[in-house]
Amino acid sequence: QVQLQQWGAGLLKPSETLSLTCAVYGGSFSGYYWSWIRQPPGKGLEWIGEINHSGSTNYNPSLKSRVTISVDTSKNQFSLKLSSVTAADTAVYYCARGRSHKTLRGIYYMDVWGKGTTVTVSS
Amino acid sequence: DIQMTQSPSSVSASVGDRVTITCRASQGISSWLAWYQQKPGKAPKLLIYAASSLQSGVPSRFSGSGSGTDFTLTISSLQPEDFATYYCQQANSFPSITFGQGTRLEIK
Repeated sequence: QVQLQQWGAGLLKPSETLSLTCAVYGGSFSGYYWSWIRQPPGKGLEWIGEINHSGSTNYNPSLKSRVTISVDTSKNQFSLKLSSVTAADTAVYYCARGRSHKTLRGIYYMDVWGKGTTVTVSS
Repeated sequence: DIQMTQSPSSVSASVGDRVTITCRASQGISSWLAWYQQKPGKAPKLLIYAASSLQSGVPSRFSGSGSGTDFTLTISSLQPEDFATYYCQQANSFPSITFGQGTRLEIK
């Protein structure tokens, strides 16, 4: 049974860099797309981006300029960095396993999720 | 970006009721739609993918249908554990993956 365990700093000041890591336990790391999604308080879900085991990334265009997702295959971990945070970046951040077709990327869904990390940006 | 609009935004129902939630895409997305259930303080849970495929372990009272721009999630007989918020999600405009705004299912 695949499990995702995530961690990272929960309180940031404006202009700092958000940094979160997600570890994958109990399953294959290759063959999937490892995603980050966030949810502001009381609001809906926003997909941030993904990485595969080879390090190939795709980002939501609305966040692309500030997002970096990286992978450490030796530890079955992937990480999110979001720079220059503001109060608008306050949210619960989730990591998740993405399932997708190799060429038909419109086929994409997330079947395993981490528990979420609450990140608050406040001066 | 493809906009996903769910209706209703909230619905009240009783245990045993049949409930249908609708998701409309701003342009055609073939059958590439997923549905998730989220309970307060928890991560979303995948229910349906490819519009109508039931995720392993999800009860058969959940079903999905639709293609193009109009999709539905149906719960055939509501159980107490089904009261939650439901989201649809498309990836047809990858990497602009978008979710609906959510439908809150409450106990009547």
